[in-house]
Amino acid sequence: GENVEQHPSTLSVQEGDSAVIKCTYSDSASNYFPWYKQELGKRPQLIIDIRSNVGEKKDQRIAVTLNKTAKHFSLHITETQPEDSAVYFCAANAGGTSYGKLTFGQGTILTVHP
Amino acid sequence: EAQVTQNPRYLITVTGKKLTVTCSQNMNHEYMSWYRQDPGLGLRQIYYSMNVEVTDKGDVPEGYKVSRKEKRNFPLILESPSPNQTSLYFCASSWAGGVNTEAFFGQGTRLTVV
Repeated sequence: GENVEQHPSTLSVQEGDSAVIKCTYSDSASNYFPWYKQELGKRPQLIIDIRSNVGEKKDQRIAVTLNKTAKHFSLHITETQPEDSAVYFCAANAGGTSYGKLTFGQGTILTVHP
Repeated sequence: EAQVTQNPRYLITVTGKKLTVTCSQNMNHEYMSWYRQDPGLGLRQIYYSMNVEVTDKGDVPEGYKVSRKEKRNFPLILESPSPNQTSLYFCASSWAGGVNTEAFFGQGTRLTVV
């Protein structure tokens, strides 16, 4: 089955710096890669996703890149703010008819210091 | 308001006592799923359902049952709970249509089995 590895497990940055979180996946048939943000005590919420037919997607200060050959994708947050502090999860779907099966990474605790 | 509702929010039970966690969505989503969240392990998919009467195992289905008799409801059943099922549980739903789309999560159910 799919295996998703996420690094680092914790990340501490100063306000205004950039943050990068990386994930690798194992199933070459995966074609959907979402990123979720979970604030303390809250539910996970989608912040950005990318499909296998594109290599990069941006939404204001957030961007995701995908390298299908190497089977890795990354989340980039620029000009970080204290409200970006949260746990971030990457995920990848299974291929074929099991596309509804979603495997998450272990999560990255991001702390942005004012 | 579009939402996914789980009940109960908190539950303490004893080993072996059957329980059901309910999940309901009002967005007419075809796809629903259950996850458990444990520290350091991220979100792990228990079961998912692509539509009414269609369910499939996720990564950690042992000890759990689900049913999808109606589109809006997807209950999680623990027939004989054990302490290793103590966890934070999330239900999620999304529009399918043959592709993956944003998953909307419920508010979570914190289950303790003693």
